[in-house]
Parts: sequence; C-alpha cells; structure tokens
Amino acid sequence: QSALTQPPSASGSPGQSVTISCTGTSSDVGYYNYVSWYQQHPGKAPKLIIYEVTKRPSGVPDRFSGSKSGNTASLTVSGLQAEDEADYYCNSYAGNGNVVFGAGTKLTVL
Amino acid sequence: QLQLQESGPGLVKPSETLSLTCTVSGGSISSSNYYWGWIRQPPGKGLEWIGSIYYSGNTHYNPSLKSRVTISVDTSKNQFSLKLSSVTAADTAVYYCARHRYGVCDFDYWGQGTVVTVSS
Repeated sequence: QSALTQPPSASGSPGQSVTISCTGTSSDVGYYNYVSWYQQHPGKAPKLIIYEVTKRPSGVPDRFSGSKSGNTASLTVSGLQAEDEADYYCNSYAGNGNVVFGAGTKLTVL
Repeated sequence: QLQLQESGPGLVKPSETLSLTCTVSGGSISSSNYYWGWIRQPPGKGLEWIGSIYYSGNTHYNPSLKSRVTISVDTSKNQFSLKLSSVTAADTAVYYCARHRYGVCDFDYWGQGTVVTVSS
C-alpha cells in the first residue's frame, strides 16, 4: 500500500478558507467512507478532527469540515485562525485491517 | 478520561529488537469494537501506521513492516506491546500508541509519544 498524496504545504490569511486534498486509490479512499483527518502541532501528538469523511468529534470547531469525491478526500478550514497553523494528516482504511496515512500538509496562517 | 502512555528504551542498537509497551488507563483495553495501534513518525516526516491489535489478540500489520513486527496484548495489565526486529537507523522515530475502531481507523486517543533512536 502506498501513502496517500497530500500537498506539502498550504496557506491562507486569517479569516480565509483553505482546502487540503488527500488522494488515494479505488482500494482505499475511493472505496471506503473511512477517511480521517488529524491536526498536529509541533512536538505534540496528532489530534483527530474529522472521521468517516465528514464527522467531527465533540469539541472540534465546525470551522473544520470534510468531504470526498472519487479517490480524493478534502479538509476545509474556514475562518482561519492563528492556532490553525499546524501539520494536517489524512488516513484511510485500506481493507483487510490495513490503514494508510497521507504524507502530511503544513498549513501556514499568513 | 482514557489515557495511553508509551514506555521503553530510548536507544536501541542496530540489528537489535525495539520493544515498547503502551499502558492504558481510565478505560479497559478489552472494550468491544476498539483496536489498539502503533504509529511512528521519523524526524521531520509523516505518520506511518505500524499495526494494530484487538483485545482477543487478533492483529493487523503494515505489509511493509510485517516481517519484522509483533504486537501483543496483556489484558490483565491493560497493556499492549510492540516488538520491531532487526532495526536500522531508518527506524529512528517518535513512536505513538493510539486507539481506533476497526475498519474506521479513527485514532481518537493517543499517547504522548516516545522517541526511539537506533544507534550504536
């Protein structure tokens, strides 16, 4: 299984929206509605912010939203805030108990 | 509040076996529907799933690491463990343990991570 493809970087100004893509294959992202997104600040453990493509865990602001089309999932951060600056990772179920992560995207708030 | 804590040596020699344990507190490792996984992150790089285990002992491993990985569970101690054999410098990473639902792979609780360096 290959890592999911994410852009290395993304950026936006405070208050703007930014979308990060996560491209897999018809065997993982395209087949299962089990894509999750994680936010990771430097030196910290990742934090789950989206699961099952579109669902938010309790406590995650609704500024974070997820979607999927074909083999590509997307994370949108609306109303960018300074604290949103972090690394973002996607993952997907890949069948037979396997999990695959994306390479990560560094989000910069300008 | 569920908490996970990794423990084990921070330095391992090349060709030896890396051994880590994750202790779960504030909840039972025998909870239905949850798997317990290991994820690692090399310095400056992304996350890599290593493998996961159910409390019954059922395991799933990353195909690229399968030949070197063993994950086990001790329900009496509320712990699960990772062994990675024949390590090289490429195995130097922060190792995390985390909980997820089978198939959904939503890692919702994570340990703080432990740094393991492979060096002679």
